[in-house]
Amino acid sequence: GQSLEQPSEVTAVEGAIVQINCTYQTSGFYGLSWYQQHDGGAPTFLSYNALDGLEETGRFSSFLSRSDSYGYLLLQELQMKDSASYFCAVTGLMDSSYKLIFGSGTRLLVRP
Amino acid sequence: DTGVSQDPRHKITKRGQNVTFRCDPISEHNRLYWYRQTLGQGPEFLTYFQNEAQLEKSRLLSDRFSAERPKGSFSTLEIQRTEQGDSAMYLCASSLKVGLADNEQFFGPGTRLTVL
Repeated sequence: GQSLEQPSEVTAVEGAIVQINCTYQTSGFYGLSWYQQHDGGAPTFLSYNALDGLEETGRFSSFLSRSDSYGYLLLQELQMKDSASYFCAVTGLMDSSYKLIFGSGTRLLVRP
Repeated sequence: DTGVSQDPRHKITKRGQNVTFRCDPISEHNRLYWYRQTLGQGPEFLTYFQNEAQLEKSRLLSDRFSAERPKGSFSTLEIQRTEQGDSAMYLCASSLKVGLADNEQFFGPGTRLTVL
């Protein structure tokens, strides 16, 4: 089966750094993605890791350890506009083809 | 606007009625996905197309759901005999598949369905 675990909610202060963890169990793992979704908005792609290590894109970085079935999203210099839900998603084998399988999301609240 | 668009944005219907949603993907994208999202959950896969071919439909999807992508461009999702449990946000996404899998999907704003 497929499962992803991420914290349901995280609170941090503006300007701080926050890490959102994701552990997964899936068949035929291909990669780990992160999406951001503001309330009432569409999910927006943030990053993708297929190989172990850290990928940096501006204030956001994403890490993957395939051997540990674990990844995280690191948000630096937090801004109020970063308050949103963050979803990890594995590209895994489900019902004979690869597709994106989403976690339940982590709601990030950035406080002044 | 060259993003993914969906119509309508909101739909309220009575139980037992049929509804149809439309999705217009990014024009050069060959893959189109439909997802369902309920409050506090991530998007749940429903079905996807590569060009005009429907390649897969979720095993969890009732026979009341059907989707088409007749010319490999826009797609429609129809729900027949709606039930209150169908109330959710229906998201469409498109991507340009390269290689074995695609990871960057572009989502539309969604259609929020409320079944009374």
